[in-house]
Amino acid sequence: DQQVKQNSPSLSVQEGRISILNCDYTNSMFDYFLWYKKYPAEGPTFLISISSIKDKNEDGRFTVFLNKSAKHLSLHIVPSQPGDSAVYFCAVTTSGTYKYIFGTGTRLKVLA
Amino acid sequence: NAGVMQNPRHLVRRRGQEARLRCSPMKGHSHVYWYRQLPEEGLKFMVYLQKENIIDESGMPKERFSAEFPKEGPSILRIQQVVRGDSAAYFCASSPTAYGTEAFFGQGTRLTVV
Repeated sequence: DQQVKQNSPSLSVQEGRISILNCDYTNSMFDYFLWYKKYPAEGPTFLISISSIKDKNEDGRFTVFLNKSAKHLSLHIVPSQPGDSAVYFCAVTTSGTYKYIFGTGTRLKVLA
Repeated sequence: NAGVMQNPRHLVRRRGQEARLRCSPMKGHSHVYWYRQLPEEGLKFMVYLQKENIIDESGMPKERFSAEFPKEGPSILRIQQVVRGDSAAYFCASSPTAYGTEAFFGQGTRLTVV
């Protein structure tokens, strides 16, 4: 039973356009949400996070939106750059612990 | 400040052998987490350790897998009598406290069982 779903295995976007990656979760007890980026043969790198007390968090080109009623979060990257091409994982947890539940990832390809 | 260091990066074992994966957390971090990523899947939590203590091993298979984080030295994930299904990427993460923002991941060990 998947508690965290990333329904789009892959996404292609033109350079300069917006990339939108989506993530759905099932349990309303989750209260902290993160996005990690992963290049091949490397470990996940933290990108951005959001607490359940907020509905938006922005860091440069990256913005995470949280819709608690829909149990949905999304990552917006604008403008997208070729270096953003990677696999993006959303992760959820409760009460600030590091026991994350990860989604299956979305492979983003930004076309030059 | 070096990041989370894992070694080896690649490990090949024959069925039935033992695999030992090492993880040195970031300086100042005393909390270590092991995750496993099977092909085409997300990372799955295995175990959470503090120095000399296993705090949460709810994600560890009941047999053949063990983990330790001694007072001195790296954390070790040990897999005995490996089988083909153990082939995966194993990632270690560390944090300075039990609660906080993001955990920092190492580059992983890719285990291949032949």
